Amino acid sequence: AQRVTQPEKLLSVFKGAPVELKCNYSYSGSPELFWYVQYSRQRLQLLLRHISRESIKGFTADLNKGETSFHLKKPFAQEEDSAMYYCAFEKGSTLGRLYFGRGTQLTVWP
Amino acid sequence: DGGITQSPKYLFRKEGQNVTLSCEQNLNHDAMYWYRQDPGQGLRLIYYSQIVNDFQKGDIAEGYSVSREKKESFPLTVTSAQKNPTAFYLCASSGYGGGAGGSYNEQFFGPGTRLTVL
Repeated sequence: AQRVTQPEKLLSVFKGAPVELKCNYSYSGSPELFWYVQYSRQRLQLLLRHISRESIKGFTADLNKGETSFHLKKPFAQEEDSAMYYCAFEKGSTLGRLYFGRGTQLTVWP
Repeated sequence: DGGITQSPKYLFRKEGQNVTLSCEQNLNHDAMYWYRQDPGQGLRLIYYSQIVNDFQKGDIAEGYSVSREKKESFPLTVTSAQKNPTAFYLCASSGYGGGAGGSYNEQFFGPGTRLTVL
């Protein structure tokens, strides 16, 4: 079965420290991977997707097919990064249908 | 104001009653989705529709029903058969929208409806 695992339910770091939110997936094909973010009192929204190879708000994520991982990283965390982060993937065969992980609540302390 | 809307924000119902949650979008998206969000469970897909008059079950469809008679609307009915209906429900849409940008795998989410069954 397709699955996305985010091993950390809660993650806390201090401002300026590096942060890494882990995501592993199980799927034998070639998925598309995404990170969605939900800030307090805001809607869930797309943060970045692996196919774009972009950095958004200082965050990057590299797809590692060998380790089936798509960890989200930022070298210097900011207080405004505090939010719930969801990893998700899409099978190529089911356009638009996303499988979400359980989410990681990131707290950045001042 | 463009986007995706859900109503109402809060909904209370007695056990055994069916209740319908509204989801509307004016993004001209073909696909729409319903998720259930529970603490520690992440987002679980209930139903999705990739085109008008067609929809598919997600991972937790039991006790729910949907319709897609119009492109912009995708209402979700929580029936009395749903054993644990109290939850936060999120609707989303995706598609090319007819304008620049957009894709089928970027989903735009509504603000959610919190349903409490008493």
